[in-house]
Amino acid sequence: EVQLLESGGGLEQPGNHLRLSCAASGFTFSSNAMSWVRQAPGKGLEWVSSINPNGGDTYYADSVKGRFTISRDNSDNTLYLRMDSLRAEDTAVYYCAKLGAWWLRPKYYYYVDVWGNGTTVTVSS
Amino acid sequence: IVLTQSPGTLSLYPGERATLSCRASQSVSSSYLAWYQQKPGQAPRLLVYGASRRATGIPDRFSGSGSGTDFTLTISRLEPEDFAVYSCQQFGNSLMFSFGQGTKLEIK
Repeated sequence: EVQLLESGGGLEQPGNHLRLSCAASGFTFSSNAMSWVRQAPGKGLEWVSSINPNGGDTYYADSVKGRFTISRDNSDNTLYLRMDSLRAEDTAVYYCAKLGAWWLRPKYYYYVDVWGNGTTVTVSS
Repeated sequence: IVLTQSPGTLSLYPGERATLSCRASQSVSSSYLAWYQQKPGQAPRLLVYGASRRATGIPDRFSGSGSGTDFTLTISRLEPEDFAVYSCQQFGNSLMFSFGQGTKLEIK
């Protein structure tokens, strides 16, 4: 069974940092691009960051660029999100997401085919 | 690209047909468009990708359509378990993507 298990969330003060982890199982982690998606209380889904299978390419939403860092350890099947300079507006449930892909010549197209259950980050003094 | 979903809330009876709209601020390849269902306290679930391709295990009462800037998710005959929030999503040319703000489908 494909599973994503997030951890590392909690209550943190503005300006501090947190590191989220996502333990993956049930699929070949090193072959899949991965993402983090967040959802503020009562709000819609917001893409945060993505990383390609070998970790060489990373992408960030403008709202977190320069503050958050996505990384992965393919030897340990784990995805990370380092969150620095936390702000109140970073308060959200953070979901780890596996990107599925389908081929339509001449390229691959992506979607999120597996979601974790989420970990809650609260930024407040 | 900004995705705008309408209506914000849709109130229908079980058994009725639901039509949810997702409009993009500029033309989007249909191959990049997906739909998700989310119930309270749960993670989202993939319903449709490539605008019209149902994900594995999704009942055939769910169908997606559209092209260019206008996309639609249709639920042909609502079951009690279908009442939830639905979000559209578009991928860019890389691994960046965005979501619409969501449509809440509630029981009338």
